[in-house]
Amino acid sequence: QSALTQPASVSGPPGQSITISCSGTSSDVGGYNHVSWYQQHPGKAPKLIIYDVSNRPSGVSNRFSGSKSGNTASLTISGLQAEDEADYFCSSYTSSTTRVFGGGTKLTVL
Amino acid sequence: QVQLQESGPGLVKPSETLSLTCTVSGGSVSSGSYYWSWMRQPPGRGLEWIGYIYYSGSTNYNPSLKSRVTISVDTSKNQFPLKLSSVTAADTAVYYCAREAGVGTTNYFDYWGQGTLVTVSS
Repeated sequence: QSALTQPASVSGPPGQSITISCSGTSSDVGGYNHVSWYQQHPGKAPKLIIYDVSNRPSGVSNRFSGSKSGNTASLTISGLQAEDEADYFCSSYTSSTTRVFGGGTKLTVL
Repeated sequence: QVQLQESGPGLVKPSETLSLTCTVSGGSVSSGSYYWSWMRQPPGRGLEWIGYIYYSGSTNYNPSLKSRVTISVDTSKNQFPLKLSSVTAADTAVYYCAREAGVGTTNYFDYWGQGTLVTVSS
C-alpha cells in the first residue's frame, strides 16, 4: 500500500487560512468517508483533530475543518495561530481493510 | 480518561526480535467497540500503520510487515504486546500504540500513547 500524498510543507501568517491536501486513490480516500487528520507537535504524540472527513472531536477548535472531493481530502485551518505550528497527518481506511497514512505536512506560522 | 503507555527496550540488535507492550488504563482491551493498534514513525518521517488486534484475538497487519509482526492481547493485564522479528536498522522508529474507534462503522485513532523510541543497532 502506498502512503497518501501530502505537501511537505505549508506556511501562512497569523490570522490567515491554509489548506493541506491529502491525495489518495479510489481504493482509500476516494472510496470511503473514513479520512481522519492528526496534529503532532515536536516530540509529542499525534492528536486527532478531524474524523470521518469533516467531524471534529469534542474540544477541538472550530478553526479546523475537513472536506473531500474525489480522491483528495483537505484540512483547512482558519485564523492561524502560533500554536497551530505542527506537523499534520491524514489517514484513511483502504479497500484491503488496512489503514494508510500520509507522509505528513509541516505547518509554519510566519 | 483513557491512557495508553508503551514500554520495552530502547535498543535492539539487528536480526533480533523487537518486543513492546502497551498498557491501557481508564478503558478495557476487552471492549468490543475498539481495535488496539500499533503505529511507528522513523526519525523525521511520516507515520506507518503496523496493525491492530481486536478483543477476540483477530488481527489485521500491514502487508509490508505481516511476515514479521505479531500483535497479541492480554486481557488479564489490560495490555496488547507487539513483536517484530528479524529487525534491521530500517525498523528504527518511535513506536506508538493507539486505540482505534468505530469498529464496524468507521475508524479513527482517538487515544495515543506518548511513543517510545526503539533503535536497532549492534
